[in-house]
This record gives sequence, structure tokens and C-alpha cells, in this order.
Amino acid sequence: GAGVSQSPSNKVTEKGKDVELRCDPISGHTALYWYRQSLGQGLEFLIYFQGNSAPDKSGLPSDRFSAERTGGSVSTLTIQRTQQEDSAVYLCASSPTSPGNYGYTFGSGTRLTVV
Amino acid sequence: KNEVEQSPQNLTAQEGEFITINCSYSVGISALHWLQQHPGGGIVSLFMLSSGKKKHGRLIATINIQEKHSSLHITASHPRDSAVYICAAPNYGGSQGNLIFGKGTKLSVKP
Repeated sequence: GAGVSQSPSNKVTEKGKDVELRCDPISGHTALYWYRQSLGQGLEFLIYFQGNSAPDKSGLPSDRFSAERTGGSVSTLTIQRTQQEDSAVYLCASSPTSPGNYGYTFGSGTRLTVV
Repeated sequence: KNEVEQSPQNLTAQEGEFITINCSYSVGISALHWLQQHPGGGIVSLFMLSSGKKKHGRLIATINIQEKHSSLHITASHPRDSAVYICAAPNYGGSQGNLIFGKGTKLSVKP
């Protein structure tokens, strides 16, 4: 597609429920990244995919968080048993195999609110 | 872990002024990123630089690898430049994309 697409744009969920956030990167971008932005912490790295593999998942904050990527394209970030501290904007970005001169293209994010 | 510090935290300028935002980091890096986040929340990657200077329109980014310092300059600032500017450095030992982000500089340009 023309840009990085994320869905849903907003999600309100009850504490303890599972949520899935979706990212559709720019066509042909082999690298995909997940970040989150919360009021207290600023921007934080979560996980990096190259194709369908995740060579760096060191930013996932707990084992309630997981992500997968299929067909070298769409990625899903899953948060199980959501907690209030999971409330944040979850951002996805993509790039060619290496970021090149301008870095990454970001999606507009999913705002997750856990009530 | 790389520590990334930005200054100032907030900056108000009059239209037409020359703007400088500073970023320092604690660990030697391969490349530093500058990002722009608009009031609506969208993030745009402005620069990724590993040495010297890069220019894109009215934006100029410089980096001094020895001093572990980078600056973002905006010439002839305009109200549409109002945004949060964020620098980011690779996390030591991490992969590409594993970045440590500064807290951001909120710029407001008044007409």
C-alpha cells in the first residue's frame, strides 16, 4: 500500500481481555517494527521483524505480549490479559531491508485504552 | 543501554526565527535518527545520519560522532513547523530498529 496501515485506530478493552493490533506495512518493505508510546515512558521499542522472523524481541515488556508476521507482510501484536499499564499508543513502522537514508515509515498508531 | 538527552524540552519561537534543538547520547552509535511528531500524533522520519550534515528543505541535521552530539536546525521557521521533535539512537547491542528515544522537544512557532 501507499503507507503503513494500522487497525483499529482506537481500542477500548476491559482489564483482563486479550487484544490484537494489526499492522499492514508498505508493500515490499521487509523490515517491520513495533513501538509503543505512553504518557509516562515516551517512545519504546518492542520488536523487530525481518521477513517473518523476529531477530530482536527484547523490548516486549512481558510474556503477555507476542507478535507474529505472516507472508512477510501483515503483522499482529497480541496482548493477553490486558492491564491498565498497557494503555498506550502502539505504533508500527516499516522500512526496506535496512532503513537507508531516511529511516522508517510510521503508521498512525492504535490507541489502546484498558479500563 | 544508550542514554539519549534532548534540550530544550520546550521551545517557543516567532515565525522566521532560526531554531536549534540538541541531542546527546552516551554510547557510540552507527546512526542517529530525528523524528517529527505532529499534534495529531503522526510520526515522520526526518533524518538518519551517521556523520557530518544532512539537509532537507529548511531542515538541517548535524552530528559530531566524537562528542556524541547532534543538532537539528530549522531555518526561517513557520507555524507549520510546530511539532514535537524526537531524536533516537540505537540501543547498544540491539538490532536495527531497537532505538532509545529522547523525551522530545515541543516546538511552538507563533505567527
